[in-house]
Amino acid sequence: GENVEQHPSTLSVQEGDSAVIKCTYSDSASNYFPWYKQELGKRPQLIIDIRSNVGEKKDQRIAVTLNKTAKHFSLHITETQPEDSAVYFCAASRPGGGADGLTFGKGTHLIIQP
Amino acid sequence: KAGVTQTPRYLIKTRGQQVTLSCSPISGHRSVSWYQQTPGQGLQFLFEYFSETQRNKGNFPGRFSGRQFSNSRSEMNVSTLELGDSALYLCATRQDPSTGELFFGEGSRLTVL
Repeated sequence: GENVEQHPSTLSVQEGDSAVIKCTYSDSASNYFPWYKQELGKRPQLIIDIRSNVGEKKDQRIAVTLNKTAKHFSLHITETQPEDSAVYFCAASRPGGGADGLTFGKGTHLIIQP
Repeated sequence: KAGVTQTPRYLIKTRGQQVTLSCSPISGHRSVSWYQQTPGQGLQFLFEYFSETQRNKGNFPGRFSGRQFSNSRSEMNVSTLELGDSALYLCATRQDPSTGELFFGEGSRLTVL
């Protein structure tokens, strides 16, 4: 089945700086790569996603890049703000969900230092 | 419209007991997935139901089971509880398996003593 590795597990950055979280996946048939944000005590929520026919996608201060050949994708957050502090999860799945559903990485705890 | 509703939100059980958790999806969502969340392990996929059929299952023992009703509501059951089953159980729904975004409930926090 699919295996998603996520790094780093904890990331501390100064407010206003950029943050980058990286993920690798194992199943070359995976074509859907979402990122979820989970604030303390709250439910995970989708912040951005990308499909394998696209190499990069941006939404205001966040962007995701995908390298299908290397089987890795990254989340980029620019001009970080205190409200960006949360746990971020990457995920991957095959078309239609596949046999393993949506496989998540173990999460990155992003800390924004004032 | 109403979000994903999970009940109960908190529960405490002892080893050997069983537990049933419930998930009511967003109106129109027919796919329901269940995830176990523990510190350090992230979100681990349990199973997904669509149109009352289990369409895939994660790597969990047979003590973990689920079902889906005709109104798309889903339940999951854990029998013969073990200490390691203590976790936050999250339900996530979407219109159908081909739709990308999952909408999560707030979870049911299970503590096994």
